[in-house]
Amino acid sequence: QKEVEQDPGPLSVPEGAIVSLNCTYSNSAFQYFMWYRQYSRKGPELLMYTYSSGNKEDGRFTAQVDKSSKYISLFIRDSQPSDSATYLCAMSINGAQKLVFGQGTRLTINP
Amino acid sequence: DVKVTQSSRYLVKRTGEKVFLECVQDMDHENMFWYRQDPGLGLRLIYFSYDVKMKEKGDIPEGYSVSREKKERFSLILESASTNQTSMYLCASSFPRDYHEQYFGPGTRLTVT
Repeated sequence: QKEVEQDPGPLSVPEGAIVSLNCTYSNSAFQYFMWYRQYSRKGPELLMYTYSSGNKEDGRFTAQVDKSSKYISLFIRDSQPSDSATYLCAMSINGAQKLVFGQGTRLTINP
Repeated sequence: DVKVTQSSRYLVKRTGEKVFLECVQDMDHENMFWYRQDPGLGLRLIYFSYDVKMKEKGDIPEGYSVSREKKERFSLILESASTNQTSMYLCASSFPRDYHEQYFGPGTRLTVT
């Protein structure tokens, strides 16, 4: 079993829809939870991160962590065609320096 | 602006060749990482380095080695390329205190024939 599981999709939704992306994990020692966005032919870039449990909001993006269920989510409100990308969740143990990535979900927002 | 550059965007090599992939960062980051990215498998860590001349194996180090002679440069070496090393290779760097925020290069698409 992989430490971090993410549905690879692809996921295709119409412009303006609310998008929900999710990851599950097995290692209860994870404390940092990240979402990276990767556009085609580019390297990933950090979108947002959360330490421990709770929610974090940044504009149209909301990250949620439920440590009791070992489940994290990224919500995108009012989705735009420019949000079309692969979204990778990543996690780490506090101080471990290394990240463990999910497989990535390819998302397409249709105009 | 943080910049991580990789020596080639596309590379085609023959089986058995020795391959060098170079990565340079300009943010004075202590940490540098090499990943490979394959469909359905995500990013997998090959090696990372937390200081000059220091290195640690990641999850899939077999068939690879690394070199870090200068802080800004981290090289990945395929000692004898094989077809199962055909992949996208991504380099990243970070500060130790902000290790959750890694900055990635654009990647090198390596094909071994």
